[in-house]
Amino acid sequence: EAQVTQNPRYLITVTGKKLTVTCSQNMNHEYMSWYRQDPGLGLRQIYYSMNVEVTDKGDVPEGYKVSRKEKRNFPLILESPSPNQTSLYFCASSPGRLAASTDTQYFGPGTRLTVL
Amino acid sequence: KQEVTQIPAALSVPEGENLVLNCSFTDSAIYNLQWFRQDPGKGLTSLLLIQSSQREQTSGRLNASLDKSSGRSTLYIAASQPGDSATYLCAVKMNRDDKIIFGKGTRLHILP
Repeated sequence: EAQVTQNPRYLITVTGKKLTVTCSQNMNHEYMSWYRQDPGLGLRQIYYSMNVEVTDKGDVPEGYKVSRKEKRNFPLILESPSPNQTSLYFCASSPGRLAASTDTQYFGPGTRLTVL
Repeated sequence: KQEVTQIPAALSVPEGENLVLNCSFTDSAIYNLQWFRQDPGKGLTSLLLIQSSQREQTSGRLNASLDKSSGRSTLYIAASQPGDSATYLCAVKMNRDDKIIFGKGTRLHILP
């Protein structure tokens, strides 16, 4: 089954304790992206990647890191989480420009992060 | 900087009516536009993708149009059903850098 998986689904942590949220897709997609969703602010792109070893900042990259060492994986790293990073996080993937007519984004189920 | 706006923020209509959701964007240099549906507490499901060179796309009771020059897209839902109740989001992918910007969504409630 074609899917985007995220782990963990729920996470409660404390300020300053490094964490990683994993994202994996099994569709051989070129483009992967991380978003955060907050009430009143909607979905905002954090980082995206158009291919292996290529990453770019979205609209809200501060406090986050990503890496794209393999095509299928795109982990989101919070080196020193703070309470303002409490949010619902989504990973997504899409074929990218090599398949323009089918460049549909597929979303993971979300990770609800609480930073105390 | 691209801004994507969806009006209205919320909408309630009786079952069976046809309805139109609106999405506008300030920068017309887009690569594509996508409409999504999000149910409470769930992830996003893609509904329709429109490439920048296209004018519309259809899937079942849904029809999405794109007028790139005026910065507008509409999602038309025919013969609405209670199961259509959800939040509908539009997102544009920028041509120059592949960044994706979402609108804040329209929360739709279909009254039985």
